[in-house]
Amino acid sequence: DSGVTQTPKHLITATGQRVTLRCSPRSGDLSVYWYQQSLDQGLQFLIQYYNGEERAKGNILERFSAQQFPDLHSELNLSSLELGDSALYFCASSVPRDGAETQYFGPGTRLLVL
Amino acid sequence: AQKITQTQPGMFVQEKEAVTLDCTYDTSDQSYGLFWYKQPSSGEMIFLIYQGSYDEQNATEGRYSLNFQKARKSANLVISASQLGDSAMYFCAMREGQGTNAGKSTFGDGTTLTVKP
Repeated sequence: DSGVTQTPKHLITATGQRVTLRCSPRSGDLSVYWYQQSLDQGLQFLIQYYNGEERAKGNILERFSAQQFPDLHSELNLSSLELGDSALYFCASSVPRDGAETQYFGPGTRLLVL
Repeated sequence: AQKITQTQPGMFVQEKEAVTLDCTYDTSDQSYGLFWYKQPSSGEMIFLIYQGSYDEQNATEGRYSLNFQKARKSANLVISASQLGDSAMYFCAMREGQGTNAGKSTFGDGTTLTVKP
């Protein structure tokens, strides 16, 4: 158990819908990262938050948004869902330190858009 | 733009032997971090090892070591004394910046490692 929790584990929804994925980082970790893993696009970095602020943005669609709350948990909102959004979404947390880093991944949320 | 290349889609290794998984990267940044992750068939993602671009010594974590050759832009993962439980997909990744200034990450396509008994 990495200490990072993600809910829900599985999500089945229809095209056009909106869903929210939730992530609770390890206690004390200030950084939260979101990743998408799909068969056709592989593993992609979506976005990073550090202590409530957006720090880096990757290949995140405009239909997707995220935020990190004062208690450091994070939510990834996916709207106007398309079939191609079906993927495994990972959240990870870390305490970045100069010269060293360890990342801890949650179990992932498997999203299926029908 | 950053790019990670893993040229070995699949690798086989005999149990108890060492294996090297290749990773080359392309970046114009001076400050970056290199990562390796393991993904077993169960799907979870496991962080293995990290190397900063300014680190002069190769990173090691137990049976894992990262062979960092900066001039050649390579960051190969070496697994010593392979175990059956090492069978998994392995991803190499690079992230812009380091520490609290780290930014966007880029992943390779992965290498599937199979350990034979």
